[in-house]
Amino acid sequence: DIQMTQSPSTLSASVGDRVTITCRTSQSVSTWLAWYQQKPGKAPKPLIYEASSLESGVPSRFSGSGSGTEFTLTISSLQPDDFATYYCQYRGTFGQGTKVEIK
Amino acid sequence: DVQLVESGGDLVQPGGSLRLSCAASGFIFSNYWMSWVRQAPGKGLEWAANINQDGSQKYFVDSVKGRFTITRDNAKNSLFLQMNSLRAEDTAVYYCARERRGAAGNLGFDVWGQGTLVTVSS
Repeated sequence: DIQMTQSPSTLSASVGDRVTITCRTSQSVSTWLAWYQQKPGKAPKPLIYEASSLESGVPSRFSGSGSGTEFTLTISSLQPDDFATYYCQYRGTFGQGTKVEIK
Repeated sequence: DVQLVESGGDLVQPGGSLRLSCAASGFIFSNYWMSWVRQAPGKGLEWAANINQDGSQKYFVDSVKGRFTITRDNAKNSLFLQMNSLRAEDTAVYYCARERRGAAGNLGFDVWGQGTLVTVSS
């Protein structure tokens, strides 16, 4: 089974910061990777699919990149609404999550 | 609007059974693979099961194989998860999710329901 490792597990940042979250897979997944944002008590919200394609309605400050085994989710300028937990996903496997906290 | 609405979550004793439902609207339900994704309290996301458009292909995470069954009724735009022999570790919010598919299979989940809570406890 494929393993997915996100880093960091927790990230403390301020409004306006550039934030980068990394997802590494134990074997190549080409560009078949998705990213989600989840807030407490809410369903996950799709952000990115196929590593770099932005879901409809998602702000352009979110971007994704990578291929093979290493991927990044970048928030170019962190906004108050972005404090949440972020997950990467390939097929039936999710990363363990990265919590973005207020510094 | 595209929407998924789950129902059926409840408190159930270990060894008991429960049937979850997911009502779809706003899209052609019969065109899509569908999944159940769960999240234990304070934990991450775990894919549990999925089903193809006509119900002929079904897949499960190892921990629920032989205990959970996934079905769908395309005429009623509904997805179901029958959960038997429930264990404490099945306690979670269960989300119904629509799959985005490509040549490589699952490319992600592009529509999610609000979730329904299943608690397995005596």
